[in-house]
Amino acid sequence: GAVVSQHPSRVICKSGTSVKIECRSLDFQATTMFWYRQFPKKSLMLMATSNEGSKATYEQGVEKDKFLINHASLTLSTLTVTSAHPEDSSFYICSAIISGRGLGEQFFGPGTRLTVL
Amino acid sequence: QKEVEQNSGPLSVPEGAIASLNCTYSDRGSQSFFWYRQYSGKSPELIMSIYSNGDKEDGRFTAQLNKASQYVSLLIRDSQPSDSATYLCAAIPSGGSYIPTFGRGTSLIVHP
Repeated sequence: GAVVSQHPSRVICKSGTSVKIECRSLDFQATTMFWYRQFPKKSLMLMATSNEGSKATYEQGVEKDKFLINHASLTLSTLTVTSAHPEDSSFYICSAIISGRGLGEQFFGPGTRLTVL
Repeated sequence: QKEVEQNSGPLSVPEGAIASLNCTYSDRGSQSFFWYRQYSGKSPELIMSIYSNGDKEDGRFTAQLNKASQYVSLLIRDSQPSDSATYLCAAIPSGGSYIPTFGRGTSLIVHP
């Protein structure tokens, strides 16, 4: 149980294009999902907290107009990197909390590796 | 600022030994603590959660929590080369949100 999927697992795009990453909770409902970014050999960096049916809460320094988050249902959150540039190349990981469980355990998706040329 | 501190390592142990990973946290009001394992190039995987003082055992893993000392540890018995990974400690701070604070992780190397 508590499986989270991400799609795509890997994407290569040209500078200036937009990329959408999907995060799905497959066997549970997730009121809250999180989006992280991780550079090689660095620690996880929380980008934003995504709540179903409301606007995402972004961490300080994360541009909300560049990283668009939509949490339209209890099982799906999307992250769109708009006008991607090489410095946006990173490993993007989502996680989800089981609704109503109240324990705070996060279940992570497998991640999406973005390379911007 | 609420922090979770871990020694970055690497911690190197021989196969079959006990690996001891440690973590301290600054927010005395934290109630929930987690250990995640992250293999190189992969996303983190939850391996243990602990909410009350004392020990919690799950197979070869034991999590220990000491709230008075603000200290969490993870013991891995009979370490295997497949346990080689980065171990992330996380704590949910007081205040009602579910947003955890992660440590930077400890790299564990189990050599044959």
